[in-house]
Amino acid sequence: DIVMTQSPDSLAVSLGERATINCKTSQSVLYSSNNKNYLAWYQQKPGQPPKLLIYWASTRESGVPDRFSGSGSGTDFTLTINNLQAEDVAVYYCHQYFSRTFGQGTKVQIK
Amino acid sequence: QVQLQESGPGLVKPSETLSLTCTVSGGSMSSYYWSWIRQPPGKGLEWIAYIYYSGSTNYNPSLKSRATISVDTSNNQFSLKLTSVTAADTAVYYCVRQVGDASGGGLDTWGQGTLVTVSS
Repeated sequence: DIVMTQSPDSLAVSLGERATINCKTSQSVLYSSNNKNYLAWYQQKPGQPPKLLIYWASTRESGVPDRFSGSGSGTDFTLTINNLQAEDVAVYYCHQYFSRTFGQGTKVQIK
Repeated sequence: QVQLQESGPGLVKPSETLSLTCTVSGGSMSSYYWSWIRQPPGKGLEWIAYIYYSGSTNYNPSLKSRATISVDTSNNQFSLKLTSVTAADTAVYYCVRQVGDASGGGLDTWGQGTLVTVSS
């Protein structure tokens, strides 16, 4: 199984500032045949199901604000939230879809 | 737009079988993969299994011996059975649509989730 490790486990960021979440996979999730990274990011607010934010590591899902961006390749990935808003308070998960495991989650709060 | 709704008992006794159904509305099941994912209270997400609309399946190896996923496209439903449940199977169970292909893709539509508690 591919192990996903997110860092940090939680972070507090001031409104309008940037939040950065890292995700490291124990094996590369870059599929050589199509040069795509099999990695997605999800946002989960309390009492709600997760919501897809980013897929193929850097493609934003339709309707997701452009302050959310994904980057990285191979085994190291980053979710960046620019200009943090109050509604961005949530737990964020990375997910690799080779063997379909999730990171442990990162809780984002307002400082 | 497509909506998913889980249904099934909220309480299951230890050693019995958990059975859940997901009803897909507002769209076709064709050309998509359909998954079950669970989340123990206060914990992270665990993929259980997926099924293609044509019936091909894939399971989490850690649950493969106990889980069965099936699809009924005529009624726009897919289902999960999990046998020999224990307290460790207590979780919110989500039904989810996956875009992409058998190799994987984004999980773009989720049900609201249903809490299943395993207790005598």
